[in-house]
Amino acid sequence: DAGVIQSPRHEVTEMGQEVTLRCKPISGHNSLFWYRQTMMRGLELLIYFNNNVPIDDSGMPEDRFSAKMPNASFSTLKIQPSEPRDSAVYFCASSQPAGGPTDTQYFGPGTRLTVL
Amino acid sequence: AQSVTQLGSHVSVSEGALVLLRCNYSSSVPPYLFWYVQYPNQGLQLLLKYTSAATLVKGINGFEAEFKKSETSFHLTKPSAHMSDAAEYFCAVSRTNDYKLSFGAGTTVTVRA
Repeated sequence: DAGVIQSPRHEVTEMGQEVTLRCKPISGHNSLFWYRQTMMRGLELLIYFNNNVPIDDSGMPEDRFSAKMPNASFSTLKIQPSEPRDSAVYFCASSQPAGGPTDTQYFGPGTRLTVL
Repeated sequence: AQSVTQLGSHVSVSEGALVLLRCNYSSSVPPYLFWYVQYPNQGLQLLLKYTSAATLVKGINGFEAEFKKSETSFHLTKPSAHMSDAAEYFCAVSRTNDYKLSFGAGTTVTVRA
């Protein structure tokens, strides 16, 4: 199994630019999570999808952030426009079958985003 | 709301010595508890989880943790540290009916030769 795949692994962009982060969950997993990790705030859940439907986006910081899951094997997290305070490591995780509390979340390697 | 507190942001141990990482939780309902490990430039990997079965949970790489309700603790231990244990460790909690994981701030472990 290839695990959760994220791309790109590193992204450096300038303030104001659009950034798109990509995630391919483990095949057969129907729950997908986007997290953000910073030194100041630690690991934060941004959004949770179940069966491609956003269930909880209360962690999305503001309207500049949006996430989609057009099918079971692909999700994107978009920031438009990006700001320096968005610099962080963004993780995607997936789990099965229903994303319940005892289901193990499998994390991808993360995308390190730097906004100049 | 549930939360976890990890005591000590950095722990340094000698190779072969006991590893003890502390985690205390607060939860209004019986919690599920997890320990994850993050190696440099990698994602998080589950070490072990407590789901209201046995209070002593054994995980991968020789780690184990004990759930103590009276102390609201879920400390992680390994009897003998190995150089490969150098990483950051996160304690996390979720409610029994909730998918949300709340993570602690993390503890970085360094292992001295």
